[in-house]
Amino acid sequence: NAGVTQTPKFQVLKTGQSMTLQCAQDMNHEYMSWYRQDPGMGLRLIHYSVGAGITDQGEVPNGYNVSRSTTEDFPLRLLSAAPSQTSVYFCASSYRGTSTDTQYFGPGTRLTVL
Amino acid sequence: AQSVAQPEDQVNVAEGNPLTVKCTYSVSGNPYLFWYVQYPNRGLQFLLKYITGDNLVKGSYGFEAEFNKSQTSFHLKKPSALVSDSALYFCAVRGKYSGAGSYQLTFGKGTKLSVIP
Repeated sequence: NAGVTQTPKFQVLKTGQSMTLQCAQDMNHEYMSWYRQDPGMGLRLIHYSVGAGITDQGEVPNGYNVSRSTTEDFPLRLLSAAPSQTSVYFCASSYRGTSTDTQYFGPGTRLTVL
Repeated sequence: AQSVAQPEDQVNVAEGNPLTVKCTYSVSGNPYLFWYVQYPNRGLQFLLKYITGDNLVKGSYGFEAEFNKSQTSFHLKKPSALVSDSALYFCAVRGKYSGAGSYQLTFGKGTKLSVIP
């Protein structure tokens, strides 16, 4: 049971480039989400999904796309990278959201946009 | 909107002393509160949660949290700090409904705990 995995661990992009951050979980969790972590700002929700085929925007969705074709995978796409997207990105999953269920976090992807 | 505040950016405590990391909340309705810990270069790990019931919640690694409804607080505590407790601690609250029985999680800005040998 690997839990929540994220790839890559580190990435450097140039402004305007695109890329996909991968996230996978093997716990059969329905709810998955992406956060970004910036110093002094805590974690902010980018996008989330309550199940395969269903996604929605969080607090800071601009510049990012997601899709959820399977229960296991929830990739985050940066369409045209900007320096403001330099951050640490975390994927998380839980069985039924956060009403009573714990969210499990991946190890993170540290992204630098030059 | 649901929110949490962590009034201290950093807390320093000597090893062996009790520690407290503060969190206050603002919610409409009953609060669902969480504490997470982030060790350097790692993802967040769940420590404990308050849903209902006893005001003192026990969690992982010897941590506990005290829910105080009148003061709208949910402070994290540990009787005797260890150097290995040094980390970033996040308070969180159940936030906006996401659909299908799921809710978003709203985080505080985090408190850096340093335990000094």
